[in-house]
Amino acid sequence: DAGVTQSPTHLIKTRGQQVTLRCSPKSGHDTVSWYQQALGQGPQFIFQYYEEEERQRGNFPDRFSGHQFPNYSSELNVNALLLGDSALYLCASSSRFASGLTYNEQFFGPGTRLTVL
Amino acid sequence: AQKVTQAQTEISVVEKEDVTLDCVYETRDTTYYLFWYKQPPSGELVFLIRRNSFDEQNEISGRYSWNFQKSTSSFNFTITASQVVDSAVYFCALFILTGGGNKLTFGTGTQLKVEL
Repeated sequence: DAGVTQSPTHLIKTRGQQVTLRCSPKSGHDTVSWYQQALGQGPQFIFQYYEEEERQRGNFPDRFSGHQFPNYSSELNVNALLLGDSALYLCASSSRFASGLTYNEQFFGPGTRLTVL
Repeated sequence: AQKVTQAQTEISVVEKEDVTLDCVYETRDTTYYLFWYKQPPSGELVFLIRRNSFDEQNEISGRYSWNFQKSTSSFNFTITASQVVDSAVYFCALFILTGGGNKLTFGTGTQLKVEL
């Protein structure tokens, strides 16, 4: 059973360019969340997708956008890259959040390390 | 708003020593979960432990134990008889159940270095 996979592993871009990162969720999961982890910091929530729609968003500008496909995989797009966008981008998958006192565990992928020059 | 504070930036210990990582959280919600994750140099976050807000019972799981105290909003994590393989960054995280979604709020992490 494959876990969460992300591609590419590493990426180098220059300021102003656009980048697309990809994530395949763990088998059986339908929800994908993206996090940005700057060097020396904890992961920061970017947004979450399920049913091919953005359901929740953190404090990130519109330059950050995403997409979820019918097979539940997801893409994170960042336009007009800034030096400050250099970070490890983590994808986490889970089952649909259900009401009540339950928590559906998030499984994290290995991340994509983005360097903006 | 939720917040997680890990005041210890870096801790160095000698192998076999016990080490405690501190975590203080802030939330107005009464229903929430607290987590500890380990992040080795490879970057992948590894789930260690989870505790919900209704269960303050402290437990031991192998070399790991935790101390959850709602009165002080603390969720400290202890590794007993540390090993070199425990060297990593450890993150405390908070999940709020109300409002839906699966958003985790992380602290800034504590770098643990275990030396021979």
